[in-house]
Amino acid sequence: AQSVTQLGSHVSVSEGALVLLRCNYSSSVPPYLFWYVQYPNQGLQLLLKYTSAATLVKGINGFEAEFKKSETSFHLTKPSAHMSDAAEYFCAVSVSGGGADGLTFGKGTHLIIQP
Amino acid sequence: DSGVTQTPKHLITATGQRVTLRCSPRSGDLSVYWYQQSLDQGLQFLIQYYNGEERAKGNILERFSAQQFPDLHSELNLSSLELGDSALYFCASNKLGADTQYFGPGTRLTVL
Repeated sequence: AQSVTQLGSHVSVSEGALVLLRCNYSSSVPPYLFWYVQYPNQGLQLLLKYTSAATLVKGINGFEAEFKKSETSFHLTKPSAHMSDAAEYFCAVSVSGGGADGLTFGKGTHLIIQP
Repeated sequence: DSGVTQTPKHLITATGQRVTLRCSPRSGDLSVYWYQQSLDQGLQFLIQYYNGEERAKGNILERFSAQQFPDLHSELNLSSLELGDSALYFCASNKLGADTQYFGPGTRLTVL
């Protein structure tokens, strides 16, 4: 079975500073990895995904993530935080790309942006 | 707007009752997933349907059931409700084989 661990339930950064949200996964087969964002009282929106192509993945809103097999990690970064980035971020894993199973999510990281 | 719609947005009911949550997938999507988001358990996959047939099961309780109709909309039925069933219930959809799931806005269920 696969699993996801997100380190830090809350991360606080200053506006303009680097954002780093950590995600480690466990999977017995090559995984598909996703980062979703959830704004207050809204559904989940896909930020980016890794599907066994390029290991450095670029997503929306200036976010990117790097798949590191040796570290079983898929950390999310953004060079410069903006106030609008304040939200809940979820890392998720699937072993079939969503075609024949559901996503397994981490507990989420609440990103706080300080002015 | 993901194109996935869910009704109702909010639902308040009492313990022991039964409710039905509805989901309409994006146009052309045959696969529907149900998830539960609660403070205790986080986001959990419940069940997946593809073109009317159950395809995968996650942590779905026996008191819960789902179905997908010929027009591809899906319903999640929750019965003998308990306080702990209070949560946000999300529906997601995609085409079979696609790697991205598109999430609806969710239904917030409150059990009193």
